[in-house]
Amino acid sequence: KAGVTQTPRYLIKTRGQQVTLSCSPISGHRSVSWYQQTPGQGLQFLFEYFSETQRNKGNFPGRFSGRQFSNSRSEMNVSTLELGDSALYLCASSLEQGYDSPLHFGNGTRLTVT
Amino acid sequence: QKEVEQNSGPLSVPEGAIASLNCTYSDRGSQSFFWYRQYSGKSPELIMSIYSNGDKEDGRFTAQLNKASQYVSLLIRDSQPSDSATYLCAVYGNKLVFGAGTILRVKS
Repeated sequence: KAGVTQTPRYLIKTRGQQVTLSCSPISGHRSVSWYQQTPGQGLQFLFEYFSETQRNKGNFPGRFSGRQFSNSRSEMNVSTLELGDSALYLCASSLEQGYDSPLHFGNGTRLTVT
Repeated sequence: QKEVEQNSGPLSVPEGAIASLNCTYSDRGSQSFFWYRQYSGKSPELIMSIYSNGDKEDGRFTAQLNKASQYVSLLIRDSQPSDSATYLCAVYGNKLVFGAGTILRVKS
């Protein structure tokens, strides 16, 4: 079974631009979560989607948004990019939403903002 | 107080020894606990999950949970150089929160 697929793997953007990251979950998985990973802050929760609805949101500004489609694929958008948004963005999928459904991570998208 | 705390390490152990990784959490209502391994430049990989008090063994790995003490640990027996990685503790309350990770170095 294919794992979580994230595209693109690498992105270089300029301050003020916007970016869209894509995530295809493991087949049959209905929940998708997004995390930001930086050396200083570790893995920080962005949001979780289940059945096309945002179920949970982390403490990030409104510039960070996402959505989930009917096939469970998800996209994350960051507008008005700042230098501090440079990070590894990880998407993870799980079978269901909830405490007993472990997350499985994709390889991530490395975003560099210059 | 951070929601999930881990000693950042590095924890250095000789090959063949037992590596002991520890994690504490603040939310008493947390229901599930996970250990992930992350190699440098790679994404986190799930290695253990535990939901109830006690021990859970899977091969060379044993996860231990004590909800009264709000403490989770991971033991790695017969440590190998290939176990050298960052180990992330994750706790699910209403979302999955990760600790900062412990760097493990296994020296041959």
